[in-house]
Amino acid sequence: AQKVTQAQTEISVVEKEDVTLDCVYETRDTTYYLFWYKQPPSGELVFLIRRNSFDEQNEISGRYSWNFQKSTSSFNFTITASQVVDSAVYFCALSRGQGAQKLVFGQGTRLTINP
Amino acid sequence: GAVVSQHPSRVICKSGTSVKIECRSLDFQATTMFWYRQFPKQSLMLMATSNEGSKATYEQGVEKDKFLINHASLTLSTLTVTSAHPEDSSFYICSARRGQETQYFGPGTRLLVL
Repeated sequence: AQKVTQAQTEISVVEKEDVTLDCVYETRDTTYYLFWYKQPPSGELVFLIRRNSFDEQNEISGRYSWNFQKSTSSFNFTITASQVVDSAVYFCALSRGQGAQKLVFGQGTRLTINP
Repeated sequence: GAVVSQHPSRVICKSGTSVKIECRSLDFQATTMFWYRQFPKQSLMLMATSNEGSKATYEQGVEKDKFLINHASLTLSTLTVTSAHPEDSSFYICSARRGQETQYFGPGTRLLVL
């Protein structure tokens, strides 16, 4: 069975601090995809990144960076120089590489950036 | 690209009535769409997988006669909550899969059943 664990329920930091959101996953598949989505107060889920299981390269996109480590089954997300607009709930998700490819979501981390 | 819309964004209805929610992929074709339900401060729960031209696949514990799903075209899936009750009040979100990997989500529909 597949499972995603986001152990941090809530994080609160002051603006301009760096913050890392943890994501640990479980799967028996050799081919799978990992995702991060952002859910602002409006409710819409915004796609941030997709990473397949064969690509362990870290990725940076502006102030966002992702660290994928198969050895520890983790896919952590770091926001550098956080801003108030980064306040949202962030979900990590996992899908199989084949078949229905249903997303299995973690419980989400509520991130609050205080001015 | 990869825009998904939902309509309505918010609906209030009386107990016993049926409510239809539309999910559209605006700039791509989606053979597969998904319907989720989210309770306050909780994660998303997959309700069903909607495949164009065929019956939806429901997750365990989801009543298919209560939550009717129709995927009539490559850009439209509908979810009908039949004989709604207050416990059906929730945030319903659809997603459309573009290509083979990524799901893009709609803005969600807040349903309140009085």
